[in-house]
Amino acid sequence: EIVMTQSPATLSVSPGEGATLSCRASQSVSSSLAWYQQKPGQAPRLLIYGASTRATGLPARFSGSGSGTEFTLTISSLQSEDFAVYYCQQYNNWPLTFGGGTKVDIK
Amino acid sequence: EVQLVESGGGLVQPGESLRLSCVASGFTFSSYAMGWVRQAPGKGLEWVSALTGGGFPPSYADSVKGRFTISRDNSKNTLYLQMNGLRAEDTAVYYCARRSGTTSGHFDYWGRGTLVTVSS
Repeated sequence: EIVMTQSPATLSVSPGEGATLSCRASQSVSSSLAWYQQKPGQAPRLLIYGASTRATGLPARFSGSGSGTEFTLTISSLQSEDFAVYYCQQYNNWPLTFGGGTKVDIK
Repeated sequence: EVQLVESGGGLVQPGESLRLSCVASGFTFSSYAMGWVRQAPGKGLEWVSALTGGGFPPSYADSVKGRFTISRDNSKNTLYLQMNGLRAEDTAVYYCARRSGTTSGHFDYWGRGTLVTVSS
């Protein structure tokens, strides 16, 4: 099983500042990596797939990068609606696996 | 507009069974693989099961293998999850999600989820 490790567990950021979230895979997943955002009481929402392709309608302040085992989600200037939990997920191998999540909260 | 609506959750005792349903609309259901992802209270996301657009083969997480069965009825645009031998650790919100391809891919659309509580 590929273990996905996200860091940090919690990131405290002021509105308008940038944020960098990391996701590491225990073995290569090529570019088969997605990022999801989840707000309290809501379903996850796809942000990024293929490690760097933004989902339809996603603001350009979100960007993804990386391949193999190291991935990054960058939010260039946090808006109030961006404070949430973010999960990475690999879909290169069975079983499909998610990272433990990074909570981005208001500083 | 893609919509996924889950139903069938509820409170059951350990060892009992439950069947979840997910009705899909807004896309050609048979053209997409589908999956179930769960989230225990206060915890992260855990993939449970997935099925190709054609309905075979199914895939399962080790934690549910032998107890859960995924299936689909493409004529009814519906995905199912039959859950037998439920345990307390199966307590979670169960999300139905569409995969981006016929056989694989990321999860591009999610339902709102249905809560399953296993408790005596």
